[in-house]
Amino acid sequence: GENVEQHPSTLSVQEGDSAVIKCTYSDSASNYFPWYKQELGKRPQLIIDIRSNVGEKKDQRIAVTLNKTAKHFSLHITETQPEDSAVYFCAASYRQAGTALIFGKGTTLSVSS
Amino acid sequence: GAVVSQHPSWVICKSGTSVKIECRSLDFQATTMFWYRQFPKQSLMLMATSNEGSKATYEQGVEKDKFLINHASLTLSTLTVTSAHPEDSSFYICSAADRTSDGYTFGSGTRLTVV
Repeated sequence: GENVEQHPSTLSVQEGDSAVIKCTYSDSASNYFPWYKQELGKRPQLIIDIRSNVGEKKDQRIAVTLNKTAKHFSLHITETQPEDSAVYFCAASYRQAGTALIFGKGTTLSVSS
Repeated sequence: GAVVSQHPSWVICKSGTSVKIECRSLDFQATTMFWYRQFPKQSLMLMATSNEGSKATYEQGVEKDKFLINHASLTLSTLTVTSAHPEDSSFYICSAADRTSDGYTFGSGTRLTVV
């Protein structure tokens, strides 16, 4: 089955700096790669996703890149703000087959002002 | 977008008792529901996949007799934690594939505390 590795587990940056979180996946059939932000005790919130037919996607300060050959994808947050502090999870699935999302272990991002 | 309603949001039960958690798809038919468990400061771990009208598929290491899943209709899936023990205390959350957005929709989660 799918296995998703996520690094780093913790990341501390200064406000205004960029933050990068990286994930690798094992199943070459996976074609859907979302990123979630989760607050304590709440459901994960989708912040951006990418499908395997696209190499990069951007939404304001957030971008995701996908390298299918290497089977890794990354989240980039620019101009970080204190409110970006949270736990971020990457995930992967073979969407059309209706399979479950498999999550990485998460990254705790701390943005200090 | 698609909405999944999960209840209860939190529950405290005594050791040895059973607890049922419900997830309802409000505006779409969820033929498949996924159940996750999340321990403090850890990731969401897939427990099982439930398909309407058939038996659930459990991930390795998840006891099917302890975590009973029922998906009797296209809008309701339930997870029953039987003979709960303190080590079952966790955050349980369901998810369904959302065909409108081609993504996934999550319930709001259930915080289970076994005392």
